[in-house]
Amino acid sequence: DAGITQSPRHKVTETGTPVTLRCHQTENHRYMYWYRQDPGHGLRLIHYSYGVKDTDKGEVSDGYSVSRSKTEDFLLTLESATSSQTSVYFCAITGRLGSGGELFFGEGSRLTVL
Amino acid sequence: RKEVEQDPGPFNVPEGATVAFNCTYSNSASQSFFWYRQDCRKEPKLLMSVYSSGNEDGRFTAQLNRASQYISLLIRDSKLSDSATYLCVVNIGGYGQNFVFGPGTRLSVLP
Repeated sequence: DAGITQSPRHKVTETGTPVTLRCHQTENHRYMYWYRQDPGHGLRLIHYSYGVKDTDKGEVSDGYSVSRSKTEDFLLTLESATSSQTSVYFCAITGRLGSGGELFFGEGSRLTVL
Repeated sequence: RKEVEQDPGPFNVPEGATVAFNCTYSNSASQSFFWYRQDCRKEPKLLMSVYSSGNEDGRFTAQLNRASQYISLLIRDSKLSDSATYLCVVNIGGYGQNFVFGPGTRLSVLP
């Protein structure tokens, strides 16, 4: 299994509070991703990173920011959590792109915003 | 039209049955194709990559038809443990937003 860990695995917070989710990989992969998964929407890309300090937006980036100061860590921050951000968040990595570049996912972080 | 479409499901089949899942993609520039399985409340896990020549892994066979932009997954001799949601994933090349996920097809294998 790919060495990806997410923390926290579960979090309950209140509207308006900041939340940071951490993704840590031991595979030295260049590319890292944050997805959210909601019923009826499948997996949607929030942000991704293609190297240290190199990040870009995905299709549902509003309300989220990311940082990657080290190859192994990719942080997702909700500056002011809203109930619409209640979701399951998955981090993923891939090291080989184009043909054959599989995604490997972390175990997920389940966030509830009250 | 969605970029990646899958059979809506759910599929309820008895143990030992053969079941086939279909997936179509709209972007003809798609380069890589994958099947993932996702158990309830768990992360998606790679089941198999799909190659142009088709590939088989035990009871699982994947086929790719680039001309028809179609991918299939066949599961033979279904087991109770095969119950999960199966996701079709397409990479149109490069990185970032280029992994496109199908909505998934749920399979329940019944005793």
